[in-house]
Amino acid sequence: EAQVTQNPRYLITVTGKKLTVTCSQNMNHEYMSWYRQDPGLGLRQIYYSMNVEVTDKGDVPEGYKVSRKEKRNFPLILESPSPNQTSLYFCASRIRDRGWNEQYFGPGTRLTVT
Amino acid sequence: ILNVEQSPQSLHVQEGDSTNFTCSFPSSNFYALHWYRWETAKSPEALFVMTLNGDEKKKGRISATLNTKEGYSYLYIKGSQPEDSATYLCAPLNFNKFYFGSGTKLNVKP
Repeated sequence: EAQVTQNPRYLITVTGKKLTVTCSQNMNHEYMSWYRQDPGLGLRQIYYSMNVEVTDKGDVPEGYKVSRKEKRNFPLILESPSPNQTSLYFCASRIRDRGWNEQYFGPGTRLTVT
Repeated sequence: ILNVEQSPQSLHVQEGDSTNFTCSFPSSNFYALHWYRWETAKSPEALFVMTLNGDEKKKGRISATLNTKEGYSYLYIKGSQPEDSATYLCAPLNFNKFYFGSGTKLNVKP
């Protein structure tokens, strides 16, 4: 089954404790992306990757890191989480093109930083 | 940052009503416009991908149009059903970045 998976689905952590949210897709997609969703705001893009070893900042990259060492994986790293990073996070992937192909979203990770 | 506006923010209709929403976006550097349907406790799912000015797409009772010159897209739902209740998101793709609107939340009452 074609899918995007994220782990963990739920996480409660404390300020300053490094964490990683994993994202994996089995569709051989070049383009992968991380979003956060906060009440009253649309999905905001954190980072995206056009292919292996190619990453770029989205609109809200501060406080986050990513890596793309393999095509299927795109982990999101919070080196020192803070309460303002409490949010719902989505990973997504798609074929890399001029936009003709849809994005497929993972199930989401709800993160709470206390 | 691109300013993407969706209206209305929320909509309550009766089963059987037809309805439409608007997505407005800057028309410069336009690549594509994506519409997504997002049900509570689920992930966004793609409805339409539109790329050309004048594009019209249809999927069952839902259709969409695109005007890239003036920077807007309409989503129409004909004969709304309770299962259409969801948040509808639009997202223009500008260069390689997606910019999501805050969505229109539709509630269809039986």
